[in-house]
Amino acid sequence: GAVVSQHPSRVICKSGTSVKIECRSLDFQATTMFWYRQFPKKSLMLMATSNEGSKATYEQGVEKDKFLINHASLTLSTLTVTSAHPEDSSFYICSASGFDRGNFEQYFGPGTRLTVT
Amino acid sequence: RKEVEQDPGPFNVPEGATVAFNCTYSNSASQSFFWYRQDCRKEPKLLMSVYSSGNEDGRFTAQLNRASQYISLLIRDSKLSDSATYLCVVNPSGTASKLTFGTGTRLQVTL
Repeated sequence: GAVVSQHPSRVICKSGTSVKIECRSLDFQATTMFWYRQFPKKSLMLMATSNEGSKATYEQGVEKDKFLINHASLTLSTLTVTSAHPEDSSFYICSASGFDRGNFEQYFGPGTRLTVT
Repeated sequence: RKEVEQDPGPFNVPEGATVAFNCTYSNSASQSFFWYRQDCRKEPKLLMSVYSSGNEDGRFTAQLNRASQYISLLIRDSKLSDSATYLCVVNPSGTASKLTFGTGTRLQVTL
């Protein structure tokens, strides 16, 4: 399977600060990356679809000005949580889409656990 | 009706048992299907894609029934390390587009 990395794996920040999370596809070119968040014992929730070289597509209810996404290259997408608040504390996971045997499989990064104090 | 439905479980089975999970999807035009496993506080990991002809990978067998809009995963000779949540995932378009996730089925394999 493909490898997707995320950095940082864990971050604790104060309320009001911004946090940037990086997602990299290490061994394939990902024209599309996805950002999810997951609360404890809940399903993954898609936040946005990130396409290389164009604006991200946000899901309903996700504030684009709060969750800034940049997909500047075929191997890197970043999510910036601006002016973070305690309710933004969550597990953020990215995935990258690659074509394999006729299926666009998605490979997930290891996730970033954000705690806002 | 949910787009992808799974029995949340938990399924508690002894080591060595065979266990089967089922999943139904509502969009008959869906193109690609997958099983992922997710361990507690970890990211989902692709277990296998599900093809129309069915596929097998070691102890794991996946089947797709397009007519019934039904996907299954069979695990033979369960190991303790198989304990996880198994996510049924559908790609409606078959392209690099967003996936639709089931809520997952929790499996606990015991001694």
